[in-house]
Amino acid sequence: DTAVSQTPKYLVTQMGNDKSIKCEQNLGHDTMYWYKQDSKKFLKIMFSYNNKELIINETVPNRFSPKSPDKAHLNLHINSLELGDSAVYFCASSQGRQGAYEQYFGPGTRLTVT
Amino acid sequence: GDSVTQMEGPVTLSEEAFLTINCTYTATGYPSLFWYVQYPGEGLQLLLKATKADDKGSNKGFEATYRKETTSFHLEKGSVQVSDSAVYFCAETSGSRLTFGEGTQLTVNP
Repeated sequence: DTAVSQTPKYLVTQMGNDKSIKCEQNLGHDTMYWYKQDSKKFLKIMFSYNNKELIINETVPNRFSPKSPDKAHLNLHINSLELGDSAVYFCASSQGRQGAYEQYFGPGTRLTVT
Repeated sequence: GDSVTQMEGPVTLSEEAFLTINCTYTATGYPSLFWYVQYPGEGLQLLLKATKADDKGSNKGFEATYRKETTSFHLEKGSVQVSDSAVYFCAETSGSRLTFGEGTQLTVNP
């Protein structure tokens, strides 16, 4: 069974569109994250939720909105997509909200905006 | 803010060569330190970690020692294999978030 799953794996869309990426974890973890990895492999945290409560909200455009319907799911909605949004987006989860807990990553969603 | 600096890549080695990837951090106090590995087409996975000074993390033949005096956590492996080809990320945390280094691409040739 996949511990952290993301859908879709690939997403190709045009500028200006709105899209969502879904993430689910079956590890029973309390904390989930969204990361963005750029073309140079640099990884930057975007958001983190603990038990459905937003605990990390980095400097990310308002076009990005996370939603956590329950502690096993954390979705990412992106409005008015721009070329610079092209990247690989990773979802992750951990047992607790402290960074010292191991984070388990999903396989990533490669977003290409044309 | 806190930052993590890794040795620039890419690094290309022959099988059975010795590997070192340098990592230094800026966080004060006693952050926890990690190495994560990303195999091609996959997400990151934890390779090893250390939570206090002089601790040595180890896994799959890789080792790293938490050096408070030099604020370093260098990754080493005595004999690399082709299957070790991946991107390696050093990371630190002293709170609720991980701060990653830039990643180092390692390619091991047969």
